[in-house]
Amino acid sequence: GQNIDQPTEMTATEGAIVQINCTYQTSGFNGLFWYQQHAGEAPTFLSYNVLDGLEEKGRFSSFLSRSKGYSYLLLKELQMKDSASYLCAVRPRRDGQNFVFGPGTRLSVLP
Amino acid sequence: DAGVTQSPTHLIKTRGQQVTLRCSPKSGHDTVSWYQQALGQGPQFIFQYYEEEERQRGNFPDRFSGHQFPNYSSELNVNALLLGDSALYLCASSLKYGGAAFFGQGTRLTVV
Repeated sequence: GQNIDQPTEMTATEGAIVQINCTYQTSGFNGLFWYQQHAGEAPTFLSYNVLDGLEEKGRFSSFLSRSKGYSYLLLKELQMKDSASYLCAVRPRRDGQNFVFGPGTRLSVLP
Repeated sequence: DAGVTQSPTHLIKTRGQQVTLRCSPKSGHDTVSWYQQALGQGPQFIFQYYEEEERQRGNFPDRFSGHQFPNYSSELNVNALLLGDSALYLCASSLKYGGAAFFGQGTRLTVV
């Protein structure tokens, strides 16, 4: 089966750091992806891990541990515009786009 | 460089009707997938098209069908609409063995 779990909601303060966790159990693994989705809009690509370790892209970092089936997205220096849903997704197969998405974590950034 | 474009943006249909949604992939991409996203949930994979053929399919009934054209654009067709088909339908494009998928803005379908 395919299962991805992430917290439903999180709240943080402007300027702070927040970590959004994701655990997964899938039939195959060819990468873990993080997307940001503002209400009513399309998901936009943030970060991608295929090997264990940390990937850093400006204020956003993503970590992967394949042996633990675990990833997190780290957002630094939070801004109000970071209020959105964050989707964790696994691509089980190399030759495809059949991403398995988690339910999304709705992040609220407060002033 | 245009990204992934979808049409229409919003649509209202009556139960039992049929609907066709359209998608043009990002320039240079050859693979298109369709996802259904209910309110407050993550996207669910419907199917993927590559080289004008359906290559992978998620857990959706045969009422959901699609097509890919030689220019890589794609259509999603849904027959015999049910109230539960109301959702945001997302199209994503990538290279077949590429990294991330890039999403269009979606079509909001409401079935009444």
